[in-house]
Amino acid sequence: NAGVTQTPKFQVLKTGQSMTLQCAQDMNHEYMSWYRQDPGMGLRLIHYSVGAGITDQGEVPNGYNVSRSTTEDFPLRLLSAAPSQTSVYFCASRSQGWAYEQYFGPGTRLTVT
Amino acid sequence: GNSVTQMEGPVTLSEEAFLTINCTYTATGYPSLFWYVQYPGEGLQLLLKATKADDKGSNKGFEATYRKETTSFHLEKGSVQVSDSAVYFCALSDNYGQNFVFGPGTRLSVLP
Repeated sequence: NAGVTQTPKFQVLKTGQSMTLQCAQDMNHEYMSWYRQDPGMGLRLIHYSVGAGITDQGEVPNGYNVSRSTTEDFPLRLLSAAPSQTSVYFCASRSQGWAYEQYFGPGTRLTVT
Repeated sequence: GNSVTQMEGPVTLSEEAFLTINCTYTATGYPSLFWYVQYPGEGLQLLLKATKADDKGSNKGFEATYRKETTSFHLEKGSVQVSDSAVYFCALSDNYGQNFVFGPGTRLSVLP
């Protein structure tokens, strides 16, 4: 199992550009989520999905879109990048149910200039 | 709503010292509790977990006991190593499995 994979590992964007961060998992997990990690802020939930075709907003969804067309993939789209979106982004997946842990990808470090 | 509070640090210890990182939570029902570790430049990895009151999770010399009466899940290790230097996150998952909440993280530095 590859687990949770993310691409790219690093990305630099100019303000106003758009891009998609890719996330895939091969563990057949129903639940997938995107977090951003900023210094002193811990992890903040952007969007999550409980299954194909179902997505919902987390704590900080503005400026981001998601879709879930398959169980395996959960891409995160930045519509018009802003310097405030400079962060490290983590994708995670888990089985449904309260006792199951989340598995994290290696992260994407995004810089918006 | 659900929340997790943990000491933010940074915590600096000498090698072989005893480690405690405090974690307390607020949640309805009977959440599952987790400790995650993040090494520099990497994603989060599960360190240990406990799913019911009085359960003790353990891994790599780390331990934490689910204390429902004090709503706590403190992380301990008897003798830390330089390789334990990382950021540690306490987290909970509520009964419904939809809501996974992280604490702010505690940075640990272990000096030789």
